[in-house]
Amino acid sequence: AQSVTQLDSHVSVSEGTPVLLRCNYSSSYSPSLFWYVQHPNKGLQLLLKYTSAATLVKGINGFEAEFKKSETSFHLTKPSAHMSDAAEYFCVVSLLTGTASKLTFGTGTRLQVTL
Amino acid sequence: GAGVSQSPRYKVAKRGQDVALRCDPISGHVSLFWYQQALGQGPEFLTYFQNEAQLDKSGLPSDRFFAERPEGSVSTLKIQRTQQEDSAVYLCASSLDEREMETQYFGPGTRLLVL
Repeated sequence: AQSVTQLDSHVSVSEGTPVLLRCNYSSSYSPSLFWYVQHPNKGLQLLLKYTSAATLVKGINGFEAEFKKSETSFHLTKPSAHMSDAAEYFCVVSLLTGTASKLTFGTGTRLQVTL
Repeated sequence: GAGVSQSPRYKVAKRGQDVALRCDPISGHVSLFWYQQALGQGPEFLTYFQNEAQLDKSGLPSDRFFAERPEGSVSTLKIQRTQQEDSAVYLCASSLDEREMETQYFGPGTRLLVL
């Protein structure tokens, strides 16, 4: 079975400071991993995805994540937080079953950005 | 271009009523997914279509849940005899084809409240 664990349900940072959202995964195979962001009353938006090419993945809005197999981690980072980054972030692992890609979501991390 | 759209955005139902939730995927997208997101949780997979074929319905919580995609584009998720535990946000996602099947694009969701 595949799963992801988001280690923090809530993270608060000051604007302009670095962001770190932690995610650990469990997978029997080489996984595909994603980070999605969900703003209030808006759809989930793909930030970035890892599919076994480069271990450091760059996404939109200055976010990036590093796949570390030895630590089974896929933490999301951003050098400098912006107020518009405040949202819910989900770490996601993909399970390929036949032709379907079934996404398994973590429980989410709510990012709060303060002035 | 237009993204995934869902309607209605909000639905209040009395316990025992039937509801129908609609999803319009991105034009030309072959794969369509339904997820259920309970309050404070990550989305959970319900069912998957490739064109008009429902290839996986393992996540549907009971036989009161039924999904269809008769012409391979618009999909409807129907819940019969709604119960309070059905209250959640129902998310629809689509992806282009098997080559891009892991990148899923999400709609804004339908928030269902069963009283």
